[in-house]
Amino acid sequence: SQQGEEDPQALSIQEGENATMNCSYKTSINNLQWYRQNSGRGLVHLILIRSNEREKHSGRLRVTLDTSKKSSSLLITASRAADTASYFCATDETGGFKTIFGAGTRLFVKA
Amino acid sequence: NAGVTQTPKFQVLKTGQSMTLQCAQDMNHNSMYWYRQDPGMGLRLIYYSASEGTTDKGEVPNGYNVSRLNKREFSLRLESAAPSQTSVYFCASSETGNYGYTFGSGTRLTVV
Repeated sequence: SQQGEEDPQALSIQEGENATMNCSYKTSINNLQWYRQNSGRGLVHLILIRSNEREKHSGRLRVTLDTSKKSSSLLITASRAADTASYFCATDETGGFKTIFGAGTRLFVKA
Repeated sequence: NAGVTQTPKFQVLKTGQSMTLQCAQDMNHNSMYWYRQDPGMGLRLIYYSASEGTTDKGEVPNGYNVSRLNKREFSLRLESAAPSQTSVYFCASSETGNYGYTFGSGTRLTVV
């Protein structure tokens, strides 16, 4: 079963707008990661946030984590057409070894 | 270029045929993984290898076998391919403690 579930499933915005994607999960985690996948390519690691962190930034990316609500959000500011991709959250369960991926959010940024 | 290399990139098999997907990483990572990705779904873990010499089943291991040949290489074998195994297969590696996975570019497999 999937640990992380992204919301929305698909998102279409104009270039320059901000894009927000959410991820919910079910069990206690060690960390949560966000990945990007361009069409026909492998996944690329974007950012990792640990369970004791609440917010993390990397360039135009901002990730928040609320362990009490078992949820995370990924914000992409000032989006560009090149940000068009699928975005996946992935969680490492506490005491587990495997990383579990959600089904992803498909982001389309219109130029 | 440093990273994870998968071969082949594309493959068409007939039902019942066998094949091995190859994966090699040059980052000296201890852990390696095989995932499959189906339309509208996230990645599902087939097998993983926490370190050289060990392998463990993931979420969907049936119909597959793996070999951790050495620290660099982790292969996935389909002994008797079935149409349900039509998918895109990704190999990944990570350091112990998982600071993020590095993925290969995938193998698109079609079983007819």
